[in-house]
Amino acid sequence: KAGVTQTPRYLIKTRGQQVTLSCSPISGHRSVSWYQQTPGQGLQFLFEYFSETQRNKGNFPGRFSGRQFSNSRSEMNVSTLELGDSALYLCASSLDRAASPLHFGNGTRLTVT
Amino acid sequence: SQQGEEDPQALSIQEGENATMNCSYKTSINNLQWYRQNSGRGLVHLILIRSNEREKHSGRLRVTLDTSKKSSSLLITASRAADTASYFCATDGNDYKLSFGAGTTVTVRA
Repeated sequence: KAGVTQTPRYLIKTRGQQVTLSCSPISGHRSVSWYQQTPGQGLQFLFEYFSETQRNKGNFPGRFSGRQFSNSRSEMNVSTLELGDSALYLCASSLDRAASPLHFGNGTRLTVT
Repeated sequence: SQQGEEDPQALSIQEGENATMNCSYKTSINNLQWYRQNSGRGLVHLILIRSNEREKHSGRLRVTLDTSKKSSSLLITASRAADTASYFCATDGNDYKLSFGAGTTVTVRA
């Protein structure tokens, strides 16, 4: 079975631009979660989707948004990029509930200059 | 903010030795999970222990959970160079998310 696939693997953007990251979950997994990982803040929860519905959202500004499609694939979008948005963005999928256990992709490394 | 805090932040051991790391958390949980992350890659699920369990084993891994103290420990026995990684505890509070600790960086020296 293929694992969680995240694209692109690396991304360099300029302040003020917007970016869209993509995540394909493991086949059959309906829950997709997104996390931001930085050296200073560690792993911070962004949001979780199940069957196209957002069930929980972390403490991030409205510039961070996401969605899930009917095939469970998910995208997250960050608008008006700031330097502090530079991070590793990790997507994870699970069978039904968000939490138990999560299968992570290798992430998208976003650098904002 | 993070639910869990791990101790120590970093650990360096000789190959063949055991590695122990601890995790403390603040609120009640459904379960606690441990993950491993190799540099620059995604996290890999290692083991899950439910709130009504006290100890669990998986291969060279042993996890304990003390809900009265809100703490957990992960023991890796007979460590190998391939165990070099960061280890994270994560708590499931039944709110559709996992809350991760800051992690313990383990270095296994040959």
